[in-house]
Amino acid sequence: DQQVKQNSPSLSVQEGRISILNCDYTNSMFDYFLWYKKYPAEGPTFLISISSIKDKNEDGRFTVFLNKSAKHLSLHIVPSQPGDSAVYFCAATMQGGSEKLVFGKGTKLTVNP
Amino acid sequence: EADIYQTPRYLVIGTGKKITLECSQTMGHDKMYWYQQDPGMELHLIHYSYGVNSTEKGDLSSESTVSRIRTEHFPLTLESARPSHTSQYLCASSPGLAGARDTQYFGPGTRLTVL
Repeated sequence: DQQVKQNSPSLSVQEGRISILNCDYTNSMFDYFLWYKKYPAEGPTFLISISSIKDKNEDGRFTVFLNKSAKHLSLHIVPSQPGDSAVYFCAATMQGGSEKLVFGKGTKLTVNP
Repeated sequence: EADIYQTPRYLVIGTGKKITLECSQTMGHDKMYWYQQDPGMELHLIHYSYGVNSTEKGDLSSESTVSRIRTEHFPLTLESARPSHTSQYLCASSPGLAGARDTQYFGPGTRLTVL
């Protein structure tokens, strides 16, 4: 039973436009969410995170929005660049010092020049 | 830049062989993790460690075992490899200050194929 769902396996956008990657979760106990980016033949790297006490967190071109009532979060990349082409994983964890991140299956973003 | 290394990067091996996947980090992180990922699928936590002499099983049942004798080293061993073990194995570490909220630093992974 998947607790973190990324329903779009792939997304293609033009350079300079906005990329929006979506993530849904089912477990209402999740209270912290992270996005990781993965290039081919490399391990994932941390991108941005958000706590459930916030509804938005911004870091440069990257903004994550959280809608707790809908159990939905999204990652916005503006403007998109060809170097952003990668697989993006949404992950969630719950309070209580849990060591476990629950990952989605990832969305492959392609930014076309 | 994170310094976490995995060897080998690729391994093709026959059924029944014993294998050890190596993972080392030079950041002095207390916490280390092993994930398993099949193509197009989620990362699943199979083992983690809070520090030296501490190991715990993750969510995904795995026939592999791990050890943590030194802070920087967290090898994963399969006593008898089977085709069902074919997957990518990712090692990660974190400072360990905030549980899973900590940024985890991943190695490049080992892609294992068991024939």
